[in-house]
Amino acid sequence: NAGVTQTPKFRVLKTGQSMTLLCAQDMNHEYMYWYRQDPGMGLRLIHYSVGEGTTAKGEVPDGYNVSRLKKQNFLLGLESAAPSQTSVYFCASSYSTTGGLYGYTFGSGTRLTVV
Amino acid sequence: KNEVEQSPQNLTAQEGEFITINCSYSVGISALHWLQQHPGGGIVSLFMLSSGKKKHGRLIATINIQEKHSSLHITASHPRDSAVYICAVQGAQKLVFGQGTRLTINP
Repeated sequence: NAGVTQTPKFRVLKTGQSMTLLCAQDMNHEYMYWYRQDPGMGLRLIHYSVGEGTTAKGEVPDGYNVSRLKKQNFLLGLESAAPSQTSVYFCASSYSTTGGLYGYTFGSGTRLTVV
Repeated sequence: KNEVEQSPQNLTAQEGEFITINCSYSVGISALHWLQQHPGGGIVSLFMLSSGKKKHGRLIATINIQEKHSSLHITASHPRDSAVYICAVQGAQKLVFGQGTRLTINP
């Protein structure tokens, strides 16, 4: 099915460990985004990409790195996980930064716990 | 003050009731999105609108650009409508999200 696929869906990390979250979309969208969702804070933008090979910082980029080597994939890395990074992470994609005609498509989320 | 405010934060209603969720924003926008998130689930885009009104099934979304206000209405509500509804406004290159409205529809 067309859409945005996130892997893994759940993960528990120990403080200091590293991991990579993968986001893949098959809609040929130029723009991709990583958000985190925390209780009482709404969704906040971590990093985004306006095309293959490009990345940019969002509101809360510290502690995260991203890469967009292929148009369909957007990777979010945590080099040294901290308990403050316990959150639900959502990836999204769109044709344009204004959402274009069809708005945004979101993945199903990754629930990450750092202990 | 948040750039996007939703009200109410929580809403409980009986099946069949007419539901209204409000969203006010303080920034200039090019579009406004309504999103739905079921418990433990992903986020689904319901509407994207920049003026007027849109309808999809039992859901209706309206926006008043001059008043910087949008409403999401659900007619003949059903327990399967229970979810968090999120308003997001499109600024320059990014979405700004409200904190969401948790809707519970009891049978």
